[in-house]
Amino acid sequence: EVQLVESGGGLVQPGGSLRLSCAASGFTLSNYWMTWVRQAPGKGLEPVASIKWDGSEKYYVGSVKGRFTISRDNAKNSMYLQMNSLRAEDTAMYYCARVSGSATLYNPFDHWGQGSLVSVAS
Amino acid sequence: DIVMTQSPDSLTVSLGERATINCKSSQSVLYSSNNKNYLAWYQQKPGQPPKLLISWASTRESGVPDRFSGSGSGTDFTLTISSLQAEDVAVYYCQHYYTTSLTFGGGTKVDIK
Repeated sequence: EVQLVESGGGLVQPGGSLRLSCAASGFTLSNYWMTWVRQAPGKGLEPVASIKWDGSEKYYVGSVKGRFTISRDNAKNSMYLQMNSLRAEDTAMYYCARVSGSATLYNPFDHWGQGSLVSVAS
Repeated sequence: DIVMTQSPDSLTVSLGERATINCKSSQSVLYSSNNKNYLAWYQQKPGQPPKLLISWASTRESGVPDRFSGSGSGTDFTLTISSLQAEDVAVYYCQHYYTTSLTFGGGTKVDIK
């Protein structure tokens, strides 16, 4: 069974940093593109960052470029999101999701974790 | 970036009745070389992550009841729930995966009348 489990969220002050982790099981992580999607309280879904199966390609939404870094360690079956210079508007549930298929990013997200809540407030 | 616009924002339907949700993309998500629409629909129930219902505009995922159907091509798409059940109360999102922006529509909340 495919499982994705996020961790690392919490309360942080504006300007602070957090590192989210996504532990994957039930499939071979190195075969898949992965992505982080966030959802602000009561709002819709926003893709934040995506990473190719070998880490060689990364894409970010404009609002996080230069502040967030997506990475992965296939040997540890894990993906990460390093979040620096956090702002109040980064407050959201952060989900990791698997991109279905294995060849390209251009596929839907077929499995999602339960999410990790990030709150940015003083 | 491709903008996805859903309508209506919310929908109240009687049990057993049809629910129709629309999704419009700001540019075509039909890839001419394979004639596929790069469009998915997701269901999100309260307190849960989204669940993939339909991919490629009209392909139901395994285990999704056949009362859910997707249609449309190019820039205009529709998700139809043919006979609304109580367990279908949720927010539904469309998403394109035609470019790296992968944007979602704003969501449509479906409730029981």
